[in-house]
Amino acid sequence: DAGVIQSPRHEVTEMGQEVTLRCKPISGHDYLFWYRQTMMRGLELLIYFNNNVPIDDSGMPEDRFSAKMPNASFSTLKIQPSEPRDSAVYFCASTPGTSGRVNEQFFGPGTRLTVL
Amino acid sequence: GDSVTQMEGPVTLSEEAFLTINCTYTATGYPSLFWYVQYPGEGLQLLLKATKADDKGSNKGFEATYRKETTSFHLEKGSVQVSDSAVYFCALGDSNYQLIWGAGTKLIIKP
Repeated sequence: DAGVIQSPRHEVTEMGQEVTLRCKPISGHDYLFWYRQTMMRGLELLIYFNNNVPIDDSGMPEDRFSAKMPNASFSTLKIQPSEPRDSAVYFCASTPGTSGRVNEQFFGPGTRLTVL
Repeated sequence: GDSVTQMEGPVTLSEEAFLTINCTYTATGYPSLFWYVQYPGEGLQLLLKATKADDKGSNKGFEATYRKETTSFHLEKGSVQVSDSAVYFCALGDSNYQLIWGAGTKLIIKP
């Protein structure tokens, strides 16, 4: 089975530009999570979806961040405008949400974002 | 609210040494407990899990036992290898399908 797919793997952009990160969860998984990882703040949950519906976006740092899941096989995380403090590794994870495997999250390889 | 506390790193050991990484938790109810591993430049991978008290999760020589009386889930390995160098995260599963994460412990194994 293909794992969680994220693109791009690396993104370098300039402050003020729009950035879009993409994620394809594992087929059949009902839950999708977006995380951000930095040395200073560790691993932070930004938002998660169940059956394409956002359930909790309390971790989204500010209005510059938005996330969508138009269908079961695709999600985006957008930052507009980007700032240097957004530099981090962004992970997408999915979970089947089924009995016995609840909370068992499968992570993508991450997108390393650098905002200059 | 629920929380996870794990020992600070880095933990530096010689190859073939015994490893313990401590993890304690605070939670209502009886959550599932997890250890994830993150190798350099990669995403997190599930290493092992336990779903109820006294369960022992094991994988790749690593073990952890769900201790309800001490609210702990310590990670152990009898003989570490250089390839075990990574960051290890303890986590608990809450009722909203989220994982509550520890801060991570960096493990460095020297040959």
